[in-house]
Amino acid sequence: SSELAQDPALSVALGQTVSITCQGGSLRHYPASWYQQKPGQAPLLVIYDQDNRPSGIPDRFSGSRSGTTASLTIAGAQAEDEADYYCQSRDTSGYQTAIFGGGTKLTVL
Amino acid sequence: EVQLVQSGGGLVQPGGSLRLSCEASGLTFTGYRMNWVRQAPGKGLEWVAHISSSSSTIYYADSVKGRFTISRDNAKNSLYLQMNNLRVEDTAIYYCARDYYGDLNCFDYWGQGALVTVSS
Repeated sequence: SSELAQDPALSVALGQTVSITCQGGSLRHYPASWYQQKPGQAPLLVIYDQDNRPSGIPDRFSGSRSGTTASLTIAGAQAEDEADYYCQSRDTSGYQTAIFGGGTKLTVL
Repeated sequence: EVQLVQSGGGLVQPGGSLRLSCEASGLTFTGYRMNWVRQAPGKGLEWVAHISSSSSTIYYADSVKGRFTISRDNAKNSLYLQMNNLRVEDTAIYYCARDYYGDLNCFDYWGQGALVTVSS
């Protein structure tokens, strides 16, 4: 499988919880990584190996998977969480390639 | 502090060439595989190329195969992307990124990006 599908846009009220999903067949075989990207900045790894947070990432960010769907959950969204979020996995069709979801623009209201 | 500092972007005509560089500091460069990822204006992330620590294993996206060449110089802690026969659709910000596990699935450090504009 060589595609990861994400909702183009989501919104969440300040302080509420939101889940961003990523669907693709490769997720059954490889754990997802998640990146946050703010305007004019490079992507920042926020979740790797499905549910691990790099040092410095707030614990309100968490990851999970069910079947072919990976989720990034932000519990108690803050204004600074407004950004684009991308999931990543790798191709399982025999080609050695990294694949990214199309991205979800998260708005914090 | 880990840093990946990029250089080499710019404006080039279709059919032209450009070389991007990415210099690493604060990390053991020789022990990690590296990647290039690009982002067209207003678009999402697209993986471009991958190179192993010894340069023995290299992969490319189909969109750049035969035109782009990834390379590295471990003595200089540097990664390169030679881009030839550039097309308008190659216009993007190009990022270098460290491959944490080396399996194309987790890029933990990224450069600041270099803008490549292909236009006549």
